[in-house]
Amino acid sequence: NAGVTQTPKFQVLKTGQSMTLQCAQDMNHEYMSWYRQDPGMGLRLIHYSVGAGITDQGEVPNGYNVSRSTTEDFPLRLLSAAPSQTSVYFCASSSDLNSPLHFGNGTRLTVT
Amino acid sequence: EDQVTQSPEALRLQEGESSSLNCSYTVSGLRGLFWYRQDPGKGPEFLFTLYSAGEEKEKERLKATLTKKESFLHITAPKPEDSATYLCAVRLTTDSWGKLQFGAGTQVVVTP
Repeated sequence: NAGVTQTPKFQVLKTGQSMTLQCAQDMNHEYMSWYRQDPGMGLRLIHYSVGAGITDQGEVPNGYNVSRSTTEDFPLRLLSAAPSQTSVYFCASSSDLNSPLHFGNGTRLTVT
Repeated sequence: EDQVTQSPEALRLQEGESSSLNCSYTVSGLRGLFWYRQDPGKGPEFLFTLYSAGEEKEKERLKATLTKKESFLHITAPKPEDSATYLCAVRLTTDSWGKLQFGAGTQVVVTP
């Protein structure tokens, strides 16, 4: 049972480049979300989705786009990377709005 | 403003030396409080959910408790394998989409 799978594990980008962080879950969870984790600041919510075709912004959405075309996948797009987006990104899912989140193992992104 | 504060930021323990971590919260309405464990290079791993003041949950050497303003994670007779960062998060009654708000975490190191 894979759970939540994130790819790639590591990525280095130059300022202005774009890329997509992939997230897939095999638990048939409706709720999926993206967080970033920075030292001393805890996990901050970027975007979330409560089902296919439904997304909304979290606490720090600027510079990121999401879409949810299937229950399994929830990719995060960086439109024009900036050094401030250097962080560790986590994707998470849950079966409903009252259940705990299950996290992937993260993507460590460095923007130079 | 809703806030979640964890203390201490870091804790160094000798093997067998019991201690407690604190998670204090100032929120408009608590739907649930979650504890996670995070190992280096990994995503957070779910430990407990607490819903109401007075509730307690236990798992091996860990025990979580909840009051109206804070939660404690007690580590009894810790072992080196308990070394990790412990995160707490809250889910609010005012949030219809059930988003989690995280504290910054407590890094625990247990030495033999």
